[in-house]
Amino acid sequence: GENVEQHPSTLSVQEGDSAVIKCTYSDSASNYFPWYKQELGKRPQLIIDIRSNVGEKKDQRIAVTLNKTAKHFSLHITETQPEDSAVYFCAARVMNYGGSQGNLIFGKGTKLSVKP
Amino acid sequence: DGGITQSPKYLFRKEGQNVTLSCEQNLNHDAMYWYRQDPGQGLRLIYYSQIVNDFQKGDIAEGYSVSREKKESFPLTVTSAQKNPTAFYLCASSKYREAFFGQGTRLTVV
Repeated sequence: GENVEQHPSTLSVQEGDSAVIKCTYSDSASNYFPWYKQELGKRPQLIIDIRSNVGEKKDQRIAVTLNKTAKHFSLHITETQPEDSAVYFCAARVMNYGGSQGNLIFGKGTKLSVKP
Repeated sequence: DGGITQSPKYLFRKEGQNVTLSCEQNLNHDAMYWYRQDPGQGLRLIYYSQIVNDFQKGDIAEGYSVSREKKESFPLTVTSAQKNPTAFYLCASSKYREAFFGQGTRLTVV
């Protein structure tokens, strides 16, 4: 089955700096890679995702890159703010064009702390 | 109000007892998932279901059971065979892309 490795487990940055979180996956059939943010005491929420036919996707200060050959993808947060402090999870899944979905496997998470 | 609802929010279980965690969604999602969250362990998949009356084991299914008799409901039973059940349990559902999570159930064995 799929295995997703995520690094680092903790990350501390100064406000305004950039933060990068990296993930690798094992199943070459996986073609959908979402990132979730979980604030303290709250449920995880999707912040950005990418499909395997795209190499990069941006949404304001957040970007995700994907290298299918190396089977790794990364989350980039620029101009970090204290409200970016949370636990971030990457995930991988097989999505079929017919609509059926494989299981959604998560990495172990990265606790990001942004110091003002 | 559409969404995915888990109940109860807190649950206490005596050793040797089975308990059932509820997960209901009115989003018309086909796929539903149960995850266990422990500190430093991320979200580990217990069971998932793509359609009614069908479900598959995840990475840590031992000691757990599920049913999917209705599209809207995916209850999780934590049996006495689960040796370390104290954890935070999250249910999720999805249709195509985004998975939506419930607010979670914190289970404690007393």
